[in-house]
Amino acid sequence: SQTIHQWPATLVQPVGSPLSLECTVEGTSNPNLYWYRQAAGRGLQLLFYSVGIGQISSEVPQNLSASRPQDRQFILSSKKLLLSDSGFYLCAWSDTGNIQYFGAGTRLSVL
Amino acid sequence: QKEVEQNSGPLSVPEGAIASLNCTYSDRGSQSFFWYRQYSGKSPELIMFIYSNGDKEDGRFTAQLNKASQYVSLLIRDSQPSDSATYLCAVPGMSYQKVTFGTGTKLQVIP
Repeated sequence: SQTIHQWPATLVQPVGSPLSLECTVEGTSNPNLYWYRQAAGRGLQLLFYSVGIGQISSEVPQNLSASRPQDRQFILSSKKLLLSDSGFYLCAWSDTGNIQYFGAGTRLSVL
Repeated sequence: QKEVEQNSGPLSVPEGAIASLNCTYSDRGSQSFFWYRQYSGKSPELIMFIYSNGDKEDGRFTAQLNKASQYVSLLIRDSQPSDSATYLCAVPGMSYQKVTFGTGTKLQVIP
């Protein structure tokens, strides 16, 4: 069966510091991978998605970036965090059936 | 008009009652529809999907789809306090890689 791992679960970072969140999927090949952000009490905002190694589509221009160095690894990064980057970050994967399955999420607080 | 709309709630129902959650969508070409449940502080989990007009039942959950009216509903029979969560409606777009999520309806089941 497929599983998705996301870490860390919680992160507190100062403004201006870098960020690296990692997500890995097991039990499937060539998944579509997604990064979402959910602000407190708000809906899911799609940040990036990837259909293959090195293929990244950005939905929201901002100070975040994403990379997919391996088939089942997806990384979300920032060189300098802003206060507005605080939120709940979710990684998800899907196959050709459109259904997305989410990781446990990372709660990021930028102070 | 938003692509996927849901009433944010909260929707309060007594334990044992039927909870009815509604979602409207704008893309007439949409073929599949998903319902996710998100407990507070947790990531969304898929509970139902429906592709065809009519009803689909799974235990206490029934998804109803009306493509002509562009709405999809989720009924929860014999509601339990453990059903208290936010329910997200999700609709894949023309680009199969992307799914648009509604902002969710918060359900509160009162013991």
